[in-house]
Amino acid sequence: AQSVTQLGSHVSVSEGALVLLRCNYSSSVPPYLFWYVQYPNQGLQLLLKYTTGATLVKGINGFEAEFKKSETSFHLTKPSAHMSDAAEYFCAVSEGGNKLVFGAGTILRVKS
Amino acid sequence: AAGVIQSPRHLIKEKRETATLKCYPIPRHDTVYWYQQGPGQDPQFLISFYEKMQSDKGSIPDRFSAQQFSDYHSELNMSSLELGDSALYFCASSLGWGGADYGYTFGSGTRLTVV
Repeated sequence: AQSVTQLGSHVSVSEGALVLLRCNYSSSVPPYLFWYVQYPNQGLQLLLKYTTGATLVKGINGFEAEFKKSETSFHLTKPSAHMSDAAEYFCAVSEGGNKLVFGAGTILRVKS
Repeated sequence: AAGVIQSPRHLIKEKRETATLKCYPIPRHDTVYWYQQGPGQDPQFLISFYEKMQSDKGSIPDRFSAQQFSDYHSELNMSSLELGDSALYFCASSLGWGGADYGYTFGSGTRLTVV
């Protein structure tokens, strides 16, 4: 079965600094990987996804992630954090095509 | 663009009561998925339906049941509610089976509070 590990339940960065949220996955088949963002009391919004093809994936709001098969990683980055990026971020892997398996989430705090 | 609509947005029930949550998929989407997110937890897959038939089942308690109707909307019925059922319940939809492989679209969720 697939699984996802997000390193760091809380990450704090200064406004304008690099954002790096870590995600490692375990999958017995070529994975489909996703990052979702959840603002307080809101639903899950898809940031970006890797299915096949280019390993560097660009998403919304300036985020991107790189699929590294050798490291079984799919870390999320953004060059310059903005106050509006403060939210909880979930890494997820598709299992069997029907369901997503989520990591435990990382709460991003952006300091002014 | 139309999104996944869930109702109600908030629901407060007492222990041992029943609750019904509704999900209206994006137009023309024929597959729905239900997730439960407890406080401070990651979303957990409950159940999915494709063309009105159950397509996959996760960690859904026996007290819960769900179905998909002819117009593709879905309802999650929860009976004998327990305090531990308090959570955010999300619905997602996709066109065709296997939407998880492409990242499906979630609704805003129903927050259920059991008191």
